[in-house]
This record gives sequence, structure tokens and C-alpha cells, in this order.
Amino acid sequence: KQEVTQIPAALSVPEGENLVLNCSFTDSAIYNLQWFRQDPGKGLTSLLLIQSSQREQTSGRLNASLDKSSGRSTLYIAASQPGDSATYLCAALSGSARQLTFGSGTQLTVLP
Amino acid sequence: SAVISQKPSRDICQRGTSLTIQCQVDSQVTMMFWYRQQPGQSLTLIATANQGSEATYESGFVIDKFPISRPNLTFSTLTVSNMSPEDSSIYLCSVESGGGRTEAFFGQGTRLTVV
Repeated sequence: KQEVTQIPAALSVPEGENLVLNCSFTDSAIYNLQWFRQDPGKGLTSLLLIQSSQREQTSGRLNASLDKSSGRSTLYIAASQPGDSATYLCAALSGSARQLTFGSGTQLTVLP
Repeated sequence: SAVISQKPSRDICQRGTSLTIQCQVDSQVTMMFWYRQQPGQSLTLIATANQGSEATYESGFVIDKFPISRPNLTFSTLTVSNMSPEDSSIYLCSVESGGGRTEAFFGQGTRLTVV
């Protein structure tokens, strides 16, 4: 059974810092890994999708990497802004049923 | 990408009543997914809804408590029945893009409080 873990659970940084969020998964036989952003009480916004054959994806100030062999993915946020404050979730698509397994999220606060 | 409209965005309900959540997608999709996110927790899959067949429920979720309809390829409803305070959660519908990319998209969520 796939398990996804995110570290740290919460992170507070001053504006302008570069930061890294970590995601690990136990079953390396994934189809893809996806990063989401969730604002309080709201739905999920897809940020980046990395297919199992890819090593990284970039969108603006965001860069996500994937190392299937070690069961890890990282989300790098450059030059953080207060508007980046949200909870960031990673999810791995895996298994014969092709189900998404979510991590518990990292709550990010960027201080002005 | 897919655009998903979910209604209502939030509601406060009395225990013992039922609430039906609607999910509308801007394109035809084979499967629609319903998730629950309890306070401070991550997402848990409730069921997968296919058009023209009964929904497939995950362990711990039953049709009597969470009946689902899927009348066509762009619409689905989830009903939370006989609610108790433990049902207070965010409920989200989701679809996947096609073409082998399998990217998941989510609605805005329904924030349910049961009093």
C-alpha cells in the first residue's frame, strides 16, 4: 500500500527566501507525482505534474524534481512571496487501481 | 485542463439531515472521484463514479451513507446522509485529464459543518 509523507508539516519563512518542500513515497512504482496548492477551506490547485519518466518540471518560480529510485520528490519555490502562503500537498498515482495517495501537506507561511 | 464547478461552496447543516453536493465538469470524462478531507487531515478517496454504473466505494465508505449519482459524462452528485458532527469536512470532486497525462483536477470544495 502506497504511503506518502511530507516534511516539514509547517514552515515559516521571510519574504524573498528560496525554500524546499519534501515529499517521500514508499512504493516507487508510480505513474506520476503531482504537487498541489490548497488555500484554507478551499479546493486543490494543480501546480506541477511529473511523469514517472521525467526528472523535473518547472513553472515560473516553482521547480519540482522526482527521484523514483529513492522515493522522493521536492518542490523548490524561488523568491517566496506572501501570496505563496498556503498548504502544499503532493500526491502519487500508483497501483493497479491507479489511485492517488496524498501526503498530509506542508503549511507554508511567508512573512512580509 | 478541466474546469470543475462544485456547489454549494459551504453549508451548515443540522444533524440527522442530508446534503447533496453537485459537481459539473466542462468536458466529458469517464470517471469522477469524490474525496473527503477531515479537519487538519489530508484527502481520502470516498468513491469513484462511472457513468452508467454504480459507484465503487473505498473501504470505510458505504452507499447508504454516501449515495452517488452519475447521470451523464459531465455531472455527478454526492449526498451525505443522516449527518452527524463527525461528517464535518471538506468534500471535493475530482477528474483526471485524458491523453495519457493523467493529471488530476479538483473542484473548489464544499465545506460542510454539521451542528
